[in-house]
Amino acid sequence: KNQVEQSPQSLIILEGKNCTLQCNYTVSPFSNLRWYKQDTGRGPVSLTIMTFSENTKSNGRYTATLDADTKQSSLHITASQLSDSASYICVVRNGATNKLIFGTGTLLAVQP
Amino acid sequence: DVKVTQSSRYLVKRTGEKVFLECVQDMDHENMFWYRQDPGLGLRLIYFSYDVKMKEKGDIPEGYSVSREKKERFSLILESASTNQTSMYLCASSFDSNYGYTFGSGTRLTVV
Repeated sequence: KNQVEQSPQSLIILEGKNCTLQCNYTVSPFSNLRWYKQDTGRGPVSLTIMTFSENTKSNGRYTATLDADTKQSSLHITASQLSDSASYICVVRNGATNKLIFGTGTLLAVQP
Repeated sequence: DVKVTQSSRYLVKRTGEKVFLECVQDMDHENMFWYRQDPGLGLRLIYFSYDVKMKEKGDIPEGYSVSREKKERFSLILESASTNQTSMYLCASSFDSNYGYTFGSGTRLTVV
């Protein structure tokens, strides 16, 4: 079944700390995996897109990893800032249907 | 930067009203999409379009229709609004399937 599951559902960290968000998927065949950041009341904004052959991609303080064998991805945030408070959504494209399968997101709160 | 503009941030409509949600993108993208986002659920695809005058049903098209008369504009129509259509509606566009989607800021629709 084409599914994307994210953990944890929510997370609270202190400003300046690092954190890692997880994404497991069963989508097959795999095409690519995207991480989006969604601020409250706003549309999602793309952070990274990773294909089968890529296992790490960075965008500033955000680093995404992909293990296509275990069908897992993670998003690591370094030296968190208050502005990192948002929902982070993992999205996998099905290579046969071209459909995007969305996870339900991890809600991150960064506290001072 | 690609910009996707949704005409309304917040809308309140009565049950039975016909509702139009407008979306305009400024980067000549072929592909446009309408999603709805509800708490605890991933984004769900309502309709999409790969070209002018072309439309395809997504996963949850019931109660909705769309119009794409011009390449830059993709409208979502609720023929007769119902309370279960209260949701956040997100429009997106993309260059092709290997590129990230650019989302609008969303329209939060409340049907009373």
